Amino acid sequence: DTAVSQTPKYLVTQMGNDKSIKCEQNLGHDTMYWYKQDSKKFLKIMFSYNNKELIINETVPNRFSPKSPDKAHLNLHINSLELGDSAVYFCASSPEGLAGLYNEQFFGPGTRLTVL
Amino acid sequence: GQQLNQSPQSMFIQEGEDVSMNCTSSSIFNTWLWYKQDPGEGPVLLIALYKAGELTSNGRLTAQFGITRKDSFLNISASIPSDVGIYFCAGQRGNTGKLIFGQGTTLQVKP
Repeated sequence: DTAVSQTPKYLVTQMGNDKSIKCEQNLGHDTMYWYKQDSKKFLKIMFSYNNKELIINETVPNRFSPKSPDKAHLNLHINSLELGDSAVYFCASSPEGLAGLYNEQFFGPGTRLTVL
Repeated sequence: GQQLNQSPQSMFIQEGEDVSMNCTSSSIFNTWLWYKQDPGEGPVLLIALYKAGELTSNGRLTAQFGITRKDSFLNISASIPSDVGIYFCAGQRGNTGKLIFGQGTTLQVKP
């Protein structure tokens, strides 16, 4: 069983388009995250949601909008795509409550977004 | 902003050799994590450290949470070809779940 899954795996699109990436976790975790990994492999957090509530919102253009319909899903919608949005986007989830476990984040396989 | 300096940036070693990599920061962290990323995959958690001075092992991997809470190291003993990948350290302050990642150490192992 896949713990954290993302779709699609690859996404190629034109500048100016709007696209969405979906994420689902079956671990029963309360918190989910979106990370961006650039061409130099640097990982940076974008957003986190806890039980459908936005917790972390880093300095990300407002063209990026996360949506959490329930605690097992966190989708990322991107409007007016730009060349610089090309990257690998990772979804992650973590349990909450017990000290420390909040930080053990489990990552999905990633979505490679290419904007032409 | 918060930064983690991870070194070395890359390593090319012979199978069987031991490997050591570390992360340092100018800020104190409450938690240190070490992840491994294989090509085309997401990072996989290797070891989590929660207390200053803590030394934790996971098979051939050993990691330590520095006493100053500003650094951590990861050792891999008797490396094998499947150890190839990118290793990331990550630190966390407070309790928001926000992880700050190092730049990664790319490990290549020659059989």
